[in-house]
Amino acid sequence: DIQMTQSPSTLSASVGDRVTITCRASQSIDTLLAWYQQKPGKAPKVLIYKASSVESGVPSRFSGSGSGTEFTLTISSLQPDDFATYYCQQYYYYYTFGQGTKLEIK
Amino acid sequence: EVQLVESGGDLVQPGGSLRLSCAASGFTFTSYWMSWVRQAPGKGLEWLANVKRDGSSKYYADSVKGRFTISRDNGKNSLYLQMNSLRVEDSAVYYCARGVGDKSIYFDSWGQGTLVTVAS
Repeated sequence: DIQMTQSPSTLSASVGDRVTITCRASQSIDTLLAWYQQKPGKAPKVLIYKASSVESGVPSRFSGSGSGTEFTLTISSLQPDDFATYYCQQYYYYYTFGQGTKLEIK
Repeated sequence: EVQLVESGGDLVQPGGSLRLSCAASGFTFTSYWMSWVRQAPGKGLEWLANVKRDGSSKYYADSVKGRFTISRDNGKNSLYLQMNSLRVEDSAVYYCARGVGDKSIYFDSWGQGTLVTVAS
């Protein structure tokens, strides 16, 4: 099984901050990685696929990078709507999600 | 507009069975892999099962293999999850999700979820 580890588990930040969330895979997954945003009581929403491709309709402040085993999700300037939990997901071999990163208001 | 609407969640006793349904609309159902993903209360996301566009191939997570069966009815634009031998740890919100790609897929549309509670 491929394990996905996100860091940090919790991140406190302010509106306007630039934030980065990291996701590490236990083995190489090429670029077969997606990022999701989830708000309480709601379904996840895809932000990024294939490590760096931005899903249609997602604001340009969201970006992704990485390949192999290390990946990052960056939000260039936090907006109030961005406070949520973020998950990475590998789809190289079956499907595994990271444990999540909760982005909180500082 | 893509819509996925799950139903069938309920309170069930350990060892019991339940069948979840997902009604799809707003897209060509036969063009997409479909999946089930669950989320236990306060926990992360867990992929459970995939079914190919024509229903000919199915894949399962080890945690549900042999107990859960995914299926689809392309004539009804519907996805199903038959859950048998339910355990307390199967309690979760169950989401159906549309898969983009060919077997190696990510999930671009999700339903609102249906709650399954397994308790005596």
